[in-house]
Amino acid sequence: EAGVAQSPRYKIIEKRQSVAFWCNPISGHATLYWYQQILGQGPKLLIQFQNNGVVDDSQLPKDRFSAERLKGVDSTLKIQPAKLEDSAVYLCASSSITRLAVTGELFFGEGSRLTVL
Amino acid sequence: AQSVTQLGSHVSVSEGALVLLRCNYSSSVPPYLFWYVQYPNQGLQLLLKYTSAATLVKGINGFEAEFKKSETSFHLTKPSAHMSDAAEYFCAVNLNDMRFGAGTRLTVKP
Repeated sequence: EAGVAQSPRYKIIEKRQSVAFWCNPISGHATLYWYQQILGQGPKLLIQFQNNGVVDDSQLPKDRFSAERLKGVDSTLKIQPAKLEDSAVYLCASSSITRLAVTGELFFGEGSRLTVL
Repeated sequence: AQSVTQLGSHVSVSEGALVLLRCNYSSSVPPYLFWYVQYPNQGLQLLLKYTSAATLVKGINGFEAEFKKSETSFHLTKPSAHMSDAAEYFCAVNLNDMRFGAGTRLTVKP
């Protein structure tokens, strides 16, 4: 089966500009996650969706970050305006309800690397 | 609240030597535990997972991990390191959401 797809793979912007990342989860996966991975650190959860509803966005900096999953499939993560400290890899992951209940496993995309100058 | 702590941000071994990467978890109930590997400029790849079926879990590439409830540990081992094992390794715990450790960078010397 096809994996989690993310684009773009790389993005370079200047501070105060905006950027958007796209994620297409594995077909049929109800849950979708966005993680931020700063260089030298482990991934940090930004937001979790189940279908098109937000389950947890407690760690999302809502003054500049937004995410949506309008039709319960694809998702977009936006940063506006970007700051230098937003330079990171943004990872998307998905899973099915059943898989989560049995194993807790998530499936990750390759990530989108953002550099803010 | 659930969390994991990885002891040692950098581990260096010689090729053919034992690999031991340490992970301790904190959870109020038995959690799901995972080890992921990340090669440069790539996403996270699942090495192995603990789901309470067996305390000794075997994964890909010859890695295994043992769940020890009494020590709240889930250390990752491999009997003989290979150059291709050089990467960043992350321990993770999932109860309500997946939380990762800070990572351990493994270097393998020839």
